[in-house]
Amino acid sequence: EAQVTQNPRYLITVTGKKLTVTCSQNMNHEYMSWYRQDPGLGLRQIYYSMNVEVTDKGDVPEGYKVSRKEKRNFPLILESPSPNQTSLYFCASSPGQGAMNTEAFFGQGTRLTVV
Amino acid sequence: QQQVKQSPQSLIVQKGGISIINCAYENTAFDYFPWYQQFPGKGPALLIAIRPDVSEKKEGRFTISFNKSAKQFSLHIMDSQPGDSATYFCAASRGSSYKLIFGSGTRLLVRP
Repeated sequence: EAQVTQNPRYLITVTGKKLTVTCSQNMNHEYMSWYRQDPGLGLRQIYYSMNVEVTDKGDVPEGYKVSRKEKRNFPLILESPSPNQTSLYFCASSPGQGAMNTEAFFGQGTRLTVV
Repeated sequence: QQQVKQSPQSLIVQKGGISIINCAYENTAFDYFPWYQQFPGKGPALLIAIRPDVSEKKEGRFTISFNKSAKQFSLHIMDSQPGDSATYFCAASRGSSYKLIFGSGTRLLVRP
């Protein structure tokens, strides 16, 4: 089954404790991205990756890091989480080059609470 | 700043009624306008999408109307059903960019 898998689904952590949210897709997609969803703000892009070893900032990158060492994986890293990073996070993937503006497939989401 | 404005924030419709959600955009370079549907506890999923070369696209009970001159597009859900209750997001992107700019979302409740 084609899917984007995020882990964990729920996470409660304390301020300053480094954490990683994993994302994996099995569709051989080139393009992957991370969004955060907050009430009244919709989904805002944090980081994206056009392909392996190619990453760039989205609209709200402060406090986050990403890496793309393999095509299928795109982890989101919070080096020193703060309470304003409490949010619902989504990983998404799209086919990429040669298939412009096609469907983005989203993971199930990770609800993060930073206390 | 690229922006997509969505309204209303929430919508309550009786079963069988028509649900209408509106979006407006600023960047005339946008050339792809999808709508995503999100159920509680799930990620958004593509519902229907349109490109600016057509003014309307229909898929079953769901229709996108597009007004290029007004820079507006809307989602119409005909014969709304309780199973349509979800949050709906409009979005836009341009050219070779895969970046989607999302609206703020509309929470739809269809009463039985």
